[in-house]
Amino acid sequence: DAEITQSPRHKITETGRQVTLACHQTWNHNNMFWYRQDLGHGLRLIHYSYGVQDTNKGEVSDGYSVSRSNTEDLPLTLESAASSQTSVYFCASSGGTDLYEQYFGPGTRLTVT
Amino acid sequence: GDSVTQMEGPVTLSEEAFLTINCTYTATGYPSLFWYVQYPGEGLQLLLKATKADDKGSNKGFEATYRKETTSFHLEKGSVQVSDSAVYFCALTGTYKYIFGTGTRLKVLA
Repeated sequence: DAEITQSPRHKITETGRQVTLACHQTWNHNNMFWYRQDLGHGLRLIHYSYGVQDTNKGEVSDGYSVSRSNTEDLPLTLESAASSQTSVYFCASSGGTDLYEQYFGPGTRLTVT
Repeated sequence: GDSVTQMEGPVTLSEEAFLTINCTYTATGYPSLFWYVQYPGEGLQLLLKATKADDKGSNKGFEATYRKETTSFHLEKGSVQVSDSAVYFCALTGTYKYIFGTGTRLKVLA
C-alpha cells in the first residue's frame, strides 16, 4: 500500500545545530508540503513543492529550507535550530485522483533545548 | 487573505450526544472545504469534503454542508461515541495549498 513516512518520529537537539527531518511518500504525488503544529495555531505551512526542483515558501518559512530532487522525498532542514522551532512537524502530499486531498505523515516531534 | 475560524475547544460531550463544531471561512473565489480529524499521536486524516455551494459532505456519521450565504461549514454528528474523541480541523483550499483552522478538541465521555 502507498504511504507517507517521516523520520525520525522524535528528535531532541541543541540550539544552533542543523537538523534535517525526512519525508518519503510512495503515492507518486507531485505536491508535497511541510507544516508545523503548535497549540493555539493549528497547522501552519512552512514550505511546499509542486514537483521536482520546485520549492516555495509558506507562511512560516524563516529558518527552514527544503529541496526536491525526486518525486518521493522532501527533506526539511532547520539551518540553526532555535527553541522557537520546538514543535510537531507534519509532512503531507497530494496529487492523486482527487487533486486537493492531502495525505499526512505521522509527524515528527522536535524539541530544541 | 483567506482564513478559517473554528470554535474554541475543548468540547466535552457524553456518549450519544449531538455534536456541532462551528467553522466559518473568508475566501476569495470558490474554495473547496474540508474537515480533517487527528487522533492522538497520529497525522491528520480526511473526514469529509465539499467542493461547491450547497454540497453536503458525509462520512462515518459526520456531516457538513457548504453554506455560501453564511460562509460556513459546520460539522455535525447525531450521536457521538467515545472513539470520536480527537481534534477536528476545518480547512479550505482554492489551489493545492490549504488554510487550516486552529482545531477543536472533542472529548466524549462514556
